[in-house]
Amino acid sequence: DIQMTQSPSSLSASVGDRVTITCRASQTIGSYLNWYQQKPGIAPNLLIYDASSLQSGVPSRFSGSGSGTDFTLTISSLQPEDFATYYCQQSYSTPPRTFGQGTKVEIK
Amino acid sequence: EVQLVESGGGLVQPGGSLRLSCAASGFTFSSYEMNWVRQAPGKGLEWVSYIGISGNTIYYAASVKGRFTISRDNAKNSLYLQMNSLRVEDTAFYYCAREGARNAFDYWGQGTLVTVSS
Repeated sequence: DIQMTQSPSSLSASVGDRVTITCRASQTIGSYLNWYQQKPGIAPNLLIYDASSLQSGVPSRFSGSGSGTDFTLTISSLQPEDFATYYCQQSYSTPPRTFGQGTKVEIK
Repeated sequence: EVQLVESGGGLVQPGGSLRLSCAASGFTFSSYEMNWVRQAPGKGLEWVSYIGISGNTIYYAASVKGRFTISRDNAKNSLYLQMNSLRVEDTAFYYCAREGARNAFDYWGQGTLVTVSS
């Protein structure tokens, strides 16, 4: 099975900060990497698919990059509504469609 | 508007069974692959099961294989998860999710809570 490792597990940041979250796959997955945002008590929401494609309706301050095994989610200027948990997911192979363990973005 | 609405969750004793349903609307259900994903309270996301558009291709996570059965009824625009031999560790919110471009999960239901406890 492909393992997905996110870092950091949590971070504290201020409104306006540039935030970067990384995700590493245990083997190459091409660009089959997705990013989701989840707020407490709400289902996850797709932000980025295919490593760098912005899902419709998602603000342009979110961006993704990478290919192969190393990927990055960047929030260019953190907004109050961005405090949430972020998950990466590989969709290269099934089973399983592995998720990373999550990165919680908290207010500093 | 795409909508996915889960139902069927509840409290069940260890060893018991539950059947979850996911009602789809706002899109051509028969054209999309579907998945179940779960999340234990306070924990991360765990993919559970996948079903292809015709129902002929099915995959399960190792943790549920042999106990859970995914199915779909394209005529009723519905996805199902039959859960047998439930364990305490199956306690979680269960989400159905549509698979879109590049196999990403582009729409999710609101989730239904399954609690396995004596």
